Amino acid sequence: AQKVTQAQTEISVVEKEDVTLDCVYETRDTTYYLFWYKQPPSGELVFLIRRNSFDEQNEISGRYSWNFQKSTSSFNFTITASQVVDSAVYFCALSEGSGGGADGLTFGKGTHLIIQP
Amino acid sequence: DAGVTQSPTHLIKTRGQHVTLRCSPISGHKSVSWYQQVLGQGPQFIFQYYEKEERGRGNFPDRFSARQFPNYSSELNVNALLLGDSALYLCASSYLRGYNEQFFGPGTRLTVL
Repeated sequence: AQKVTQAQTEISVVEKEDVTLDCVYETRDTTYYLFWYKQPPSGELVFLIRRNSFDEQNEISGRYSWNFQKSTSSFNFTITASQVVDSAVYFCALSEGSGGGADGLTFGKGTHLIIQP
Repeated sequence: DAGVTQSPTHLIKTRGQHVTLRCSPISGHKSVSWYQQVLGQGPQFIFQYYEKEERGRGNFPDRFSARQFPNYSSELNVNALLLGDSALYLCASSYLRGYNEQFFGPGTRLTVL
């Protein structure tokens, strides 16, 4: 069965610090997809990134970067020079490819990120 | 372009009642998925519909049902409500099936008293 673990329940940092959110996943599929979503206090989940299991290249988008390592089953998310607007709950999610994605996304429990001014 | 829309925004029901939640996907998206998010937890997958057919179902009782209409909008129905059904119900749409990027609506906050 697939599983996503976000061991950090809450992280609090001061603005402009770098912060890394950890995500460890479990799956028996060789084809799978990993996602990160942001959930601000308004409640709406905002899509950040999708990676497939065959693409281990790290990705950078502005202040955001993602480190995908199949050897450790991890897909970590780093925010550089954090800002107060980054405060939110961040979810890592997994979709297995064998079912055509019909089993939906499996989410971790989320990490509550607090950026203090 | 409009994003995923859901109605109502908030809903209060009592135990044993029935509820219908509605979702309109992003224009052009053919797949709709429903998730339940209990406070402090990640969303849990309930259903996925693609081209008006159920393509996937999570571990939820038969009290939960859904359907997708020809215009790709969707309804989630919950019968015989329990206190534990209180949650944020999220709808997500994607162009194709599940492992594509899913774009979420603002959710419906259901409170069961």
